[in-house]
Amino acid sequence: QKEVEQDPGPLSVPEGAIVSLNCTYSNSAFQYFMWYRQYSRKGPELLMYTYSSGNKEDGRFTAQVDKSSKYISLFIRDSQPSDSATYLCATLFGNEKLTFGTGTRLTIIP
Amino acid sequence: KAGVTQTPRYLIKTRGQQVTLSCSPISGHRSVSWYQQTPGQGLQFLFEYFSETQRNKGNFPGRFSGRQFSNSRSEMNVSTLELGDSALYLCASAPRGGNGETQYFGPGTRLLVL
Repeated sequence: QKEVEQDPGPLSVPEGAIVSLNCTYSNSAFQYFMWYRQYSRKGPELLMYTYSSGNKEDGRFTAQVDKSSKYISLFIRDSQPSDSATYLCATLFGNEKLTFGTGTRLTIIP
Repeated sequence: KAGVTQTPRYLIKTRGQQVTLSCSPISGHRSVSWYQQTPGQGLQFLFEYFSETQRNKGNFPGRFSGRQFSNSRSEMNVSTLELGDSALYLCASAPRGGNGETQYFGPGTRLLVL
């Protein structure tokens, strides 16, 4: 079983829709939770960063962590064609390595 | 500040050859991590260097090695290339690494092994 599981998609939604991306993780020691966005032929860029359970909002993006169920979510409101990318969840604890999900490929249809 | 740079951006090699990839971190960053990204396995951690010392290592065979120089630039080497080594190799830097620090990724080197 992978430490971080993520539905690879692909996921296609119409412009303006709310997008929900999800990951589950198995190691309860994970403390930090991140979402990266990766455009085609580019490296991942950090989108959201949260510590512990709760919600964090940044513009149209909301990251949600539920440590009791080991569930990580990213919500995108008013989705735009420029949001089309692969979204990677990642977890971290202490000085250990970042552990990534396999990524969900998202396409926003104009 | 300039971002993480990686060279070369694309590379084609044949089985059995070796390859060296280079990464220049963001100025002031001393931690450099390397990842392999493939469609099937996603992003997998190779190793992390901090102050010229390997601090963490992933589950890759000994054919994969790396080093870091005093200016924090890093190289990774893959010897005796196999077809399955075809992947996007990503480098990420952080000020010190660990403890929840954000890692900043370069654009990657796309390696194709024929």
